[in-house]
Amino acid sequence: TQLLEQSPQFLSIQEGENLTVYCNSSSVFSSLQWYRQEPGEGPVLLVTVVTGGEVKKLKRLTFQFGDARKDSSLHITAAQPGDTGLYLCAGGDAGNNRKLIWGLGTSLAVNP
Amino acid sequence: ETGVTQTPRHLVMGMTNKKSLKCEQHLGHNAMYWYKQSAKKPLELMFVYNFKEQTENNSVPSRFSPECPNSSHLFLHLHTLQPEDSALYLCASSQDGENSGANVLTFGAGSRLTVL
Repeated sequence: TQLLEQSPQFLSIQEGENLTVYCNSSSVFSSLQWYRQEPGEGPVLLVTVVTGGEVKKLKRLTFQFGDARKDSSLHITAAQPGDTGLYLCAGGDAGNNRKLIWGLGTSLAVNP
Repeated sequence: ETGVTQTPRHLVMGMTNKKSLKCEQHLGHNAMYWYKQSAKKPLELMFVYNFKEQTENNSVPSRFSPECPNSSHLFLHLHTLQPEDSALYLCASSQDGENSGANVLTFGAGSRLTVL
């Protein structure tokens, strides 16, 4: 059974701080997607990483896919209250492009 | 507005009721999904439809019955549900084969279901 573990589960920080969220597995994934879900809404895609070692930047967010395509990290620089939400990672199943393995998520609260 | 619309946003039903959840996508995608989101559990894939054909059914109890009349609409018919079925039900759509790796999903806002 493929599993994705996200850490930490909960994070509460002050505006302006930096943070890193991790997504780890013993399985190899074809790709890794990061979503953010705000209260009362569905998850919204932030980024997809496909190549081992790939780094993508989205404004203050930096995403990295591990060299072995088993893990990923999300780093946020100078967090803002608007970054508050549930961050979900999802790994792609190489044999079925409709199947994603989901983590439990990291619930982030950025306090003004 | 993501292009995927779900109704109703909130639903309270008794265990003997019959109700339906509706999803409509305006993105021209060819695949639609039902997911269940419960506290302390990862997102659970329930059903996948591609071009109106069901391609995935992840051992979902028969009290959940999906219907996909065309590639833009998806329903989830509910009957004789249990309290443990209370959850957020998310609809999503994707375009098969558009990306390297897994399909990228566009989600609706979800239907919050409470079974009494």
